[in-house]
Amino acid sequence: DTGVSQDPRHKITKRGQNVTFRCDPISEHNRLYWYRQTLGQGPEFLTYFQNEAQLEKSRLLSDRFSAERPKGSFSTLEIQRTEQGDSAMYLCASSLRLGDYEQYFGPGTRLTVT
Amino acid sequence: EDKVVQSPLSLVVHEGDTVTLNCSYEVTNFRSLLWYKQEKKAPTFLFMLTSSGIEKKSGRLSSILDKKELFSILNITATQTGDSAIYLCAKNTGNQFYFGTGTSLTVIP
Repeated sequence: DTGVSQDPRHKITKRGQNVTFRCDPISEHNRLYWYRQTLGQGPEFLTYFQNEAQLEKSRLLSDRFSAERPKGSFSTLEIQRTEQGDSAMYLCASSLRLGDYEQYFGPGTRLTVT
Repeated sequence: EDKVVQSPLSLVVHEGDTVTLNCSYEVTNFRSLLWYKQEKKAPTFLFMLTSSGIEKKSGRLSSILDKKELFSILNITATQTGDSAIYLCAKNTGNQFYFGTGTSLTVIP
């Protein structure tokens, strides 16, 4: 068990609905990342936080996506007005801030938009 | 763009075989290269490489980085069915991790 947890593990929603996912990182990790992974592809970077600050967002992240990490601990990723193309596995990972470091991934949230 | 290219895309071997997986990357903002194993769940960390020519080893798995030629290899010796997975490499730029599409390894008993 890597220590990163995500909730829910699976979500089925109808097109046009909003969804929110939660990620709880390893407690001493300052950095938190969100990725999207579709079948046959590697994880695709969406955004990352250092503590509560959102430092970088992928240009793939449309304005329907928003992420927060209000107190520098857990993070949420919200997708508004979901589309079928949003169906994917959403992975969260955390890492230490300083030096060369590796990421540890959570189990992911699998989103299916019908 | 920070491309990470892995080859082969897929590989089928018999138990006991040795395999070599390849990962090439672009030099821009390189900080380290990481290998992950992904079964039917989230990726699990295998190795992080920062220096050329220094082999990292864990059991039957080993990896090395060549910063001049911009590639890394992951070797698995005496493969077992439990090694069947997708192996991902990722380039760390300090701010982002760029992943390749992975090599799908199937080990047949």
